[in-house]
Amino acid sequence: NAGVTQTPKFQVLKTGQSMTLQCAQDMNHNSMYWYRQDPGMGLRLIYYSASEGTTDKGEVPNGYNVSRLNKREFSLRLESAAPSQTSVYFCASSGEDRVFRTEAFFGQGTRLTVV
Amino acid sequence: QKEVEQDPGPLSVPEGAIVSLNCTYSNSAFQYFMWYRQYSRKGPELLMYTYSSGNKEDGRFTAQVDKSSKYISLFIRDSQPSDSATYLCAMSLSYGNNRLAFGKGNQVVVIP
Repeated sequence: NAGVTQTPKFQVLKTGQSMTLQCAQDMNHNSMYWYRQDPGMGLRLIYYSASEGTTDKGEVPNGYNVSRLNKREFSLRLESAAPSQTSVYFCASSGEDRVFRTEAFFGQGTRLTVV
Repeated sequence: QKEVEQDPGPLSVPEGAIVSLNCTYSNSAFQYFMWYRQYSRKGPELLMYTYSSGNKEDGRFTAQVDKSSKYISLFIRDSQPSDSATYLCAMSLSYGNNRLAFGKGNQVVVIP
């Protein structure tokens, strides 16, 4: 069971470089999310997509863009990386199950360092 | 004030002890309450899920929700070294509303 797959797992960027973090889920979920996790800050929502074709800003969207390419894939782009974007990035997806609960499934994370 | 407050202080306990974790929240509209467990260098995984006030038990884990006090708790009985992880509380507004609000997480270390 693949679940939520993120690539790459690790990345080092120089300030000003751009990159795209990829995320794919195979659970047929409508909703997908990008979070960043920093020490002492917990998980903070960057962007989310409630369904294919829609995206919305979360708590910390500045410096990021997203694309919901199709139902399976949701990418996060850093156009001009800054040291403040050094973090662990998690992609997640969620859907409603038969017991009417909403569970978010997370990927393994991408550790990004901007120097 | 953040919607969800969780004191992120690390917690070290001896094996077999009871671990007690809690979160408070400010938005009375939250209806679904969750605890996620995150092992080092892994993504969070759902541990417990509750709806409405009361207790829910699953093996050594008990989740409590007190909506009147806007307070949720997680108890781990007979703690094991394998319980060493970060525990994050999370909550959402309604069924189908998938925007989870997370606490900062508590790092728990169970010492053999």
